[in-house]
Amino acid sequence: GAGVSQSPSNKVTEKGKDVELRCDPISGHTALYWYRQSLGQGLEFLIYFQGNSAPDKSGLPSDRFSAERTGGSVSTLTIQRTQQEDSAVYLCASSLGLGGGHGNEQFFGPGTRLTVL
Amino acid sequence: DQQVKQNSPSLSVQEGRISILNCDYTNSMFDYFLWYKKYPAEGPTFLISISSIKDKNEDGRFTVFLNKSAKHLSLHIVPSQPGDSAVYFCAASRGRGAQKLVFGQGTRLTINP
Repeated sequence: GAGVSQSPSNKVTEKGKDVELRCDPISGHTALYWYRQSLGQGLEFLIYFQGNSAPDKSGLPSDRFSAERTGGSVSTLTIQRTQQEDSAVYLCASSLGLGGGHGNEQFFGPGTRLTVL
Repeated sequence: DQQVKQNSPSLSVQEGRISILNCDYTNSMFDYFLWYKKYPAEGPTFLISISSIKDKNEDGRFTVFLNKSAKHLSLHIVPSQPGDSAVYFCAASRGRGAQKLVFGQGTRLTINP
């Protein structure tokens, strides 16, 4: 497809379990971002990857959260030992990621709604 | 520390009239601003952006105004249409290229027929 895709669209898990969320960015986009939106809140930055540079992990809320980007394309966000406060919509975005005058228009996937019981 | 604020959680406008959505920011290092529109159960969709070297950018029915001295930006939609009903987020970043976005809390716009 032409857009950002995410899977699963919905995930219900029990407190203490680990979950993996997947993101397929737009082909050719070198930058990939993870955000989350809790109920009634704005989008909160988690982590981003740009090319082969070290990822910016400054938004990860705890060491239970980690993310990988394999081969400069697909990314997986892993949450270990999930807690109820992790319940949110997790959104992935990608952008061209080029400097030198290019904008930072990020294109979002539909999100994964995570519910921790 | 909310660096980007949208103080109106909701706005209701009559079809055909102008919708004005406001956004304030506190970090003077932000130099690129964007507006996104979000429908339920979908990801945000990019609408329009503006660099800090400009004070206005227009794209069809959408115009974004930037007042750097006031650290304020606004999105004007004219004329408003029922399909514009959605949640609108403003976002800011430091620099262009690959940069994380800092989002406001969103404003729910409802266009009444």
